[in-house]
Amino acid sequence: AQTVTQSQPEMSVQEAETVTLSCTYDTSESDYYLFWYKQPPSRQMILVIRQEAYKQQNATENRFSVNFQKAAKSFSLKISDSQLGDAAMYFCAYRRGGGGNKLVFGAGTILRVKS
Amino acid sequence: ETGVTQTPRHLVMGMTNKKSLKCEQHLGHNAMYWYKQSAKKPLELMFVYNFKEQTENNSVPSRFSPECPNSSHLFLHLHTLQPEDSALYLCASSQDRRQVERGYTFGSGTRLTVV
Repeated sequence: AQTVTQSQPEMSVQEAETVTLSCTYDTSESDYYLFWYKQPPSRQMILVIRQEAYKQQNATENRFSVNFQKAAKSFSLKISDSQLGDAAMYFCAYRRGGGGNKLVFGAGTILRVKS
Repeated sequence: ETGVTQTPRHLVMGMTNKKSLKCEQHLGHNAMYWYKQSAKKPLELMFVYNFKEQTENNSVPSRFSPECPNSSHLFLHLHTLQPEDSALYLCASSQDRRQVERGYTFGSGTRLTVV
């Protein structure tokens, strides 16, 4: 079974600085997708960024980028120029390709942003 | 408002009560999901419905009973719950279970407390 591990229960970053959240996963599949979701205090889960395993290029979305290391099964999220609104719980998630629909989530990392 | 609405937002119930959680989406999605979010644990997938048909039940106890009368509505009927069932219950939807790479759209969840 696939598993997703987020080893950092909590992280802090100073406003305007950069922070990296870690995620590793375990799978025997070669075709899969990886996601980062953000859950602010409003509880709304919001998709931040996704990565297709067959793409070598790391995904980027404005201030958010990933470092996808397929061989190491690592998928970290980098947030640049951190803002107060980035404070939230961040979840890493995995979904296998080929029609599978289940998203497997990690336990989450709480990100605190200091002004 | 993301398009997935969950009611009620908060629910306190006794162990002998029967209650229902409701999820509604008008995004034209045809796959819907129930997740359980407990503190410091990964999100747990409970049920998956695709075109109103249940396609996955992740060994969920029978005291949780899902119902999907149409592609826009999903219910979770609760009866004889235990205190350890207290959690945030999240509903999500997607265009099609084969297109989950586009990500889920989540509701804001129902915070359930069993006393």
